[in-house]
Amino acid sequence: EVQLVESGGGLVQPGGSLRLSCAASGFTFSDYFMRWVRQAPGKGLEWVANIKEDGSEKYYVDSVKGRFTVSRDNAKNSLYLQMHSLRVDDTAVYYCTRGGWEIRYWGQGTLVTVSS
Amino acid sequence: DIVMTQSPDSLAVSLGERATINCKSSQSVLYSSNNANYLAWYQQKPGQPPKLLIYWASTRESGVPDRFSGSGSGTDFTLTISSLQAEDVAVYYCQQYYDTLHSFGQGTKLEIK
Repeated sequence: EVQLVESGGGLVQPGGSLRLSCAASGFTFSDYFMRWVRQAPGKGLEWVANIKEDGSEKYYVDSVKGRFTVSRDNAKNSLYLQMHSLRVDDTAVYYCTRGGWEIRYWGQGTLVTVSS
Repeated sequence: DIVMTQSPDSLAVSLGERATINCKSSQSVLYSSNNANYLAWYQQKPGQPPKLLIYWASTRESGVPDRFSGSGSGTDFTLTISSLQAEDVAVYYCQQYYDTLHSFGQGTKLEIK
């Protein structure tokens, strides 16, 4: 069974940093593109970042470029999102997702709240 | 960047009636080399992550009831629920995966009339 379990969310002040992790199991992690998708409270879905299977290519939505870094450790079956210079509008549930095309598997999400 | 626009923003349909949600992309998501539309539909209920319903615009995900169907090509797509059930109350999203940004529509909230 495919499982994606996010962790690392919490309350952080504007300008602060946070590192999200996603532990993957039930599939060969190194065979798949991985993505972070977020959802602000009461709002829609927003793709945040993609990372290729071997980590050689990464893509970001414009609003997080230069502030967020996606990475992975295939030996640990883990996906990460390092977030710096956090803003109030980064407040959201962050989902770890699997796949390069349609998203069949989602984690339950981890809530990041940016507030003073 | 491809912008996805759904209509309507909200919809109220009687039980047993048909529900139709539209999704329009700012540019075609039809890849000519394989004649595939890079578009998916998701259902999200409160407190849950989204659930994949339809991919490649019209392929139903395993386990999804056959009252859900997807259609369209190029820039215009439709999700149809042929006979609305109470458990279909949710927010529905379309998503393109034609380019690297994989953008979503803004969502359509479906309720019972």
